Amino acid sequence: EIVLTQSPTTMAASPGEKVTITCRASSSVSYMHWYQQKPGASPKPWIYDTSKLASGVPNRFSGSGSGTSYSLTISSMETEDTATYYCQQWSSNSLTFGSGTKLEIK
Amino acid sequence: EVQLQQSGPELRRPGSSVKLSCKASGYSITDYLMHWVKHRPEHGLEWIGWIDPEDGETKYAQKFQSKATLTADTSSNTAYMQLSSLTSEDTATYFCARYAHVGYYFDYWGQGVMVTVSS
Repeated sequence: EIVLTQSPTTMAASPGEKVTITCRASSSVSYMHWYQQKPGASPKPWIYDTSKLASGVPNRFSGSGSGTSYSLTISSMETEDTATYYCQQWSSNSLTFGSGTKLEIK
Repeated sequence: EVQLQQSGPELRRPGSSVKLSCKASGYSITDYLMHWVKHRPEHGLEWIGWIDPEDGETKYAQKFQSKATLTADTSSNTAYMQLSSLTSEDTATYFCARYAHVGYYFDYWGQGVMVTVSS
């Protein structure tokens, strides 16, 4: 099973600040997906296939990476971005999620 | 419009079982794999498994092999997950989610169903 390790676990950013969340895989994977989840709600697709924005996602978000290291970046933090973000992969018949990064506004 | 409508919250005793439903609308469930995901705030998201409603093929995460059973009823366009031998560790919110053909990610999620296991 491929383990996904996200960092940081929690963080707070000021409005306008650049934010980067990292997801490291225990073995090389071909892509990474990201989901945004707010309390009491279902996860929402956010970034898929490493760098493609899901429908309705603001273009201040971007995704990048390859092999064992992937990242989600917010160019300028906004209040509405407060949420928990999860990375996800599916390879070798095993689907796994990262442990999540809780992002708060300062 | 694609929607996944899950059944209501459940309260069960330890040792019992529960069957959750996920009714799809806006598409035929035979056209996509349906996955189930467990969420506990302190543990994040855990993948349980998937079912191909077209032929009933299933695949489970090793941890849930003897815990979860996935089925589907194509006549009602509904997927089901039964959880057996419930313990407090099964107290969680469970989501069904469709896996997209393009991009291969979870493009639609149910609203989730809270299962509470308590004596």
